[in-house]
Amino acid sequence: AQSVAQPEDQVNVAEGNPLTVKCTYSVSGNPYLFWYVQYPNRGLQFLLKYITGDNLVKGSYGFEAEFNKSQTSFHLKKPSALVSDSALYFCAVRDIGRDDKIIFGKGTRLHILP
Amino acid sequence: ETGVTQSPTHLIKTRGQQVTLRCSSQSGHNTVSWYQQALGQGPQFIFQYYREEENGRGNFPPRFSGLQFPNYSSELNVNALELDDSALYLCASSLWADTQYFGPGTRLTVL
Repeated sequence: AQSVAQPEDQVNVAEGNPLTVKCTYSVSGNPYLFWYVQYPNRGLQFLLKYITGDNLVKGSYGFEAEFNKSQTSFHLKKPSALVSDSALYFCAVRDIGRDDKIIFGKGTRLHILP
Repeated sequence: ETGVTQSPTHLIKTRGQQVTLRCSSQSGHNTVSWYQQALGQGPQFIFQYYREEENGRGNFPPRFSGLQFPNYSSELNVNALELDDSALYLCASSLWADTQYFGPGTRLTVL
């Protein structure tokens, strides 16, 4: 069965510093991976996805993610954090079978300290 | 902002009641998925509708049911509400197997 793991419940980063939010995955077959962000009392916003191609995927708001097949990881990164990046981040994997559901990690809360 | 809308924004019900949540898909999308997000958790897949038929279900009992209409809008119905049904219910629309875009959610509180 497909699964994702986000090993950190919370990540604290000073404004202006680089940030990394970790994600590892387990899939049978080729992985379809996503990052979503959730702000308080809001739905999920799509940030970026990896399907195939370059291992470094660029997304919205200056975020990027690095796909590493040997380590089965898909870490989210940003070179310089903003206070407005503070939110809940979800890594997810698509489980394509009869349906097309997305399986989410439990989320990582990112705090950017001014 | 996505083109996915959900109504109502908030809802308070009592145990045993029934509730209907609504979702309007983004233009051009033919697939709707529903997720339940309990407090402090990631979203959990409830079911998915493609071309007005359910084509996948997560680990939720039959009292969770749904519909998709010809205009691809959708409803989630929950019967015999339980306290544990209190959660944020998220609708996502997509063009089959493409990226899912989420609505703002409906916050359901069961007392």
